[in-house]
Amino acid sequence: NAGVTQTPKFRVLKTGQSMTLLCAQDMNHEYMYWYRQDPGMGLRLIHYSVGEGTTAKGEVPDGYNVSRLKKQNFLLGLESAAPSQTSVYFCASRPASGTGGTEAFFGQGTRLTVV
Amino acid sequence: AQKVTQAQTEISVVEKEDVTLDCVYETRDTTYYLFWYKQPPSGELVFLIRRNSFDEQNEISGRYSWNFQKSTSSFNFTITASQVVDSAVYFCALRGLNTDKLIFGTGTRLQVFP
Repeated sequence: NAGVTQTPKFRVLKTGQSMTLLCAQDMNHEYMYWYRQDPGMGLRLIHYSVGEGTTAKGEVPDGYNVSRLKKQNFLLGLESAAPSQTSVYFCASRPASGTGGTEAFFGQGTRLTVV
Repeated sequence: AQKVTQAQTEISVVEKEDVTLDCVYETRDTTYYLFWYKQPPSGELVFLIRRNSFDEQNEISGRYSWNFQKSTSSFNFTITASQVVDSAVYFCALRGLNTDKLIFGTGTRLQVFP
């Protein structure tokens, strides 16, 4: 099983460039999340989605946009990258709440450097 | 609002020592879920345990045990007889029943020396 797959795994951007990070899950999960991980800050929630066609802001949404056009995909966009967006980005998914307090499954992470 | 606090930034122990990682949480939900994840040096996030707020039984899995106390809003994680392979960053996380957000603490880096 592939689980949660993030593309790309590494990327270097110049300030002002744009890019899209792709998260794909093959578990038919309703919920999907994007986090960023920075030293000493833990995992901070950027945006999340409770189902196809829905998105919502997390703790640190500024500078990012997301889309969930298909249930299995959750895209994270940076329209104009800034050095402050240098981070490791994680995507996660989980089933709907009706199945209980289920855990989230994480992708392997994307290391993004903005120079 | 939800909040998870892991006050211990880094802990160093020698192999075979016992170590406890602290997690304190805040939530207005009466039903909520708590989680622990492990992030080894390779970087992936590995799920360890889930606990529902209405189940205060402690749990033991091999060398790992978890102590959930609603009275102090804590969900602490103990590793008995630590091993070098336990070296990792450990995250505590919280999700309330009435919220879709999964919130993490800042993590505790555990280093186990031989």
